[in-house]
Amino acid sequence: QQQVKQSPQSLIVQKGGIPIINCAYENTAFDYFPWYQQFPGKGPALLIAIRPDVSEKKEGRFTISFNKSAKQFSLHIMDSQPGDSATYFCAASMMTGTASKLTFGTGTRLQVTL
Amino acid sequence: NAGVMQNPRHLVRRRGQEARLRCSPMKGHSHVYWYRQLPEEGLKFMVYLQKENIIDESGMPKERFSAEFPKEGPSILRIQQVVRGDSAAYFCASSPPPRGRETQYFGPGTRLLVL
Repeated sequence: QQQVKQSPQSLIVQKGGIPIINCAYENTAFDYFPWYQQFPGKGPALLIAIRPDVSEKKEGRFTISFNKSAKQFSLHIMDSQPGDSATYFCAASMMTGTASKLTFGTGTRLQVTL
Repeated sequence: NAGVMQNPRHLVRRRGQEARLRCSPMKGHSHVYWYRQLPEEGLKFMVYLQKENIIDESGMPKERFSAEFPKEGPSILRIQQVVRGDSAAYFCASSPPPRGRETQYFGPGTRLLVL
């Protein structure tokens, strides 16, 4: 019940394409859903995050769509660029006391080709 | 304002040795989380600490692993008698005192290789 399932495992798109990464969760107590970007040899960096009371959030070229009833959320990258090539992780967390540990998906390796 | 710092960045140990991983949170942050990332996998929560307190260690293996965050100095993740299965990247994240939802900022990680 603590899992976050992420797909696809890898994705190749051409420059300018719109890669879409999907995540699903079971635990309805999750109340915060961030996406992280990780380059090889680096730590994850927060891209964008959403809470369940919002169905969509956009920041620059990155958009999160959230479907509370289906317990699914997705990341769209508009006008993708080769520099977007990285591994993307969805995550979920809930406040328990003063903690908000993150449960991560397994990651999607994105390659944007010229 | 320096980000989360971790050292060493790479650590090689032989089976049975001890590994000590250090994490200095961002300035003003009093909460530290440790995560482990196995090759080709996502990050798994290990432990959450505040200064001098372990708040949640539900992700820590019961044996050989321990963590601390002393009043002064960095947080330390200690692995005793390492085995090959401990080879992974260990990431530390920090956040300021919770006032609702606080972003976790990750360090660059320590890559542990057990020979």
